[in-house]
Amino acid sequence: GAVVSQHPSRVICKSGTSVKIECRSLDFQATTMFWYRQFPKKSLMLMATSNEGSKATYEQGVEKDKFLINHASLTLSTLTVTSAHPEDSSFYICSAHLGYEQFFGPGTRLTVL
Amino acid sequence: DAKTTQPTSMDCAEGRAANLPCNHSTISGNEYVYWYRQIHSQGPQYIIHGLKNNETNEMASLIITEDRKSSTLILPHATLRDTAVYYCIVRVDTGRRALTFGSGTRLQVQP
Repeated sequence: GAVVSQHPSRVICKSGTSVKIECRSLDFQATTMFWYRQFPKKSLMLMATSNEGSKATYEQGVEKDKFLINHASLTLSTLTVTSAHPEDSSFYICSAHLGYEQFFGPGTRLTVL
Repeated sequence: DAKTTQPTSMDCAEGRAANLPCNHSTISGNEYVYWYRQIHSQGPQYIIHGLKNNETNEMASLIITEDRKSSTLILPHATLRDTAVYYCIVRVDTGRRALTFGSGTRLQVQP
């Protein structure tokens, strides 16, 4: 199947700093990618839809100025968590679709101290 | 997307079949049943999907009732590596929209 990668897999940062997470479709092109967040023992929650060449669409309650999304090419979307705080600590997962199937990245665990 | 109901958790002995049920009584005629699973600290993985016929692939079988109001995912010979949270998702289109995840079923395969 198709492969979606994420980098980094794990990041620890200090409160107030910004963190960039990359999501790449390795063997296919994705005009749309999705960003999810998952808190411990909870299900995945959609944060935003990343659209190549246009603005991202954010879900209700997700601050677009805090979670910056850039989809600069057909294989790369980035999520930047700006001025991170401990409550932003979570597991961030991206996905892209190919045909009927959605392929997920391995996730990025963010810990904000 | 139609709402789904799954048991919170299930246990299964290694080597035995794991049967995971899902209720989707409000499913529409053009909605598919998808199954994904998430192994701990990994991204979700597609397992199988179907519309109304039973489906089988190398990972699992999907049995959909005739009225389509419920389905069962069958892992024929569960292994310890099948321990994961299994999500049943009902949706109309093929994949251009994000998936809506419920609580899923936490399957624990016991040695």
